[in-house]
Parts: sequence; C-alpha cells; structure tokens
Amino acid sequence: GENVGLHLPTLSVQEGDNSIINCAYSNSASDYFIWYKQESGKGPQFIIDIRSNMDKRQGQRVTVLLNKTVKHLSLQIAATQPGDSAVYFCAENIWPGKGNRDDKIIFGKGTRLHILP
Amino acid sequence: DAGITQSPRHKVTETGTPVTLRCHQTENHRYMYWYRQDPGHGLRLIHYSYGVKDTDKGEVSDGYSVSRSKTEDFLLTLESATSSQTSVYFCAISESTLGDSRTTDTQYFGPGTRLTVL
Repeated sequence: GENVGLHLPTLSVQEGDNSIINCAYSNSASDYFIWYKQESGKGPQFIIDIRSNMDKRQGQRVTVLLNKTVKHLSLQIAATQPGDSAVYFCAENIWPGKGNRDDKIIFGKGTRLHILP
Repeated sequence: DAGITQSPRHKVTETGTPVTLRCHQTENHRYMYWYRQDPGHGLRLIHYSYGVKDTDKGEVSDGYSVSRSKTEDFLLTLESATSSQTSVYFCAISESTLGDSRTTDTQYFGPGTRLTVL
C-alpha cells in the first residue's frame, strides 16, 4: 500500500561525522520527494527536494539520493553539527496524472537525529 | 516560517466548546492546508484550500470545518472540541510550481498551534 516509512526511529551520530537518514516509499506514482527538518516546538522546515527524473541532488551540506528501482530515498548531512539535532522526515508527492485531483502528499513519521559531542 | 503565522500558538479548552485556529500568510500563495501532528503518526491532512472559498477535505476531516474568505487567511474550526482533537496543528502553504494544476507541491509550514482539549 501507500507508505512512507523510515528504517530507524533514532540515529545517533558523532559531531563532525556524516549522517545518513533513510526513507522507503511504495507508491510508483510518486514523482516528487521532499525532506523536512523539524526542531522541537517548531514547524517542519524544508531542506531539499528531488524530482523522480533525478537520482541525486545537492544542497548546502545536504545531499538527497533517490533510487527508484528499490523505492528508496536518503538524506546525507555532511559534517554533522549540534544544530542538526532534530526530527527529519520525508514526504512523497503522489501524482496520478493530469486531470486527476487525487494528487497528495504522504509524510513519513520521522527519524530523530541525535548529535553526540 | 515562510511568512506564515498561526494564532493562537497555545490553547487549552474544554470538551464541547468551539475552537477556531487562524492561519495567516503574506506570500500570496494559492494553496493552504491544515494538518495535525500526533505521536506515532506522520502529518495528516485535515482540509485544504485551493483558492478563496474553495476548500476540500483531507484524510481526517471529521469534526473539523474550514473557511477561506481571503487569500491570506485560512481558518480551522472545531465546532465541538473533543479530547481526541488534542494535537499540534500546522498550517502550510504552497504555490503550484510543478504545473498541471496539481493541488500539492512544496509545502511550507507555520510554527504550529498546540491545542489541548480537557
């Protein structure tokens, strides 16, 4: 069924190391994906997005990889800093096609990233 | 928070009372959304709007109504609050950049309203 999930609910990473957060999706009609960061007591913050015609996209210290073959999405954070501590979740945008109003976004439950000093 | 404000930020109310949450945007975006966020669940869509006076239901719309009389404001009303509606409510906005008249696109979120129904 339609599901956006995460492999690990909590990830602990040493400060300065790279972090990799994973996400699985199951809907073949998903063509657009977004990673959000949510700090405690705040709203989700857009980090980076990727369309299904790409397999990699880079931002500032972040990289998103998309593997459509296995329906897998990952967020890589380089040189993790204390300010990166947050819950990260992915969202998939399901697009059944033009003229169909059933497009929707499904959000994953999130992975908590914990930075070790 | 992408020019989005929500009010109130915190509210405690009693079962059976009406509650209205307000979302205000300064981005002039066409689409606005109301979500609730609960432990163990991803964000779940309550209602959304695709223009002034144009709204539609999301996956958890029972017990909620919305109104949008101006582009910048989207109101969420709980006609008779219940304890199951205790949650954090987020408003989001988007503009259709993906084309094809899609109702979903990159969404930007407000700071949230924490609602407790006793």
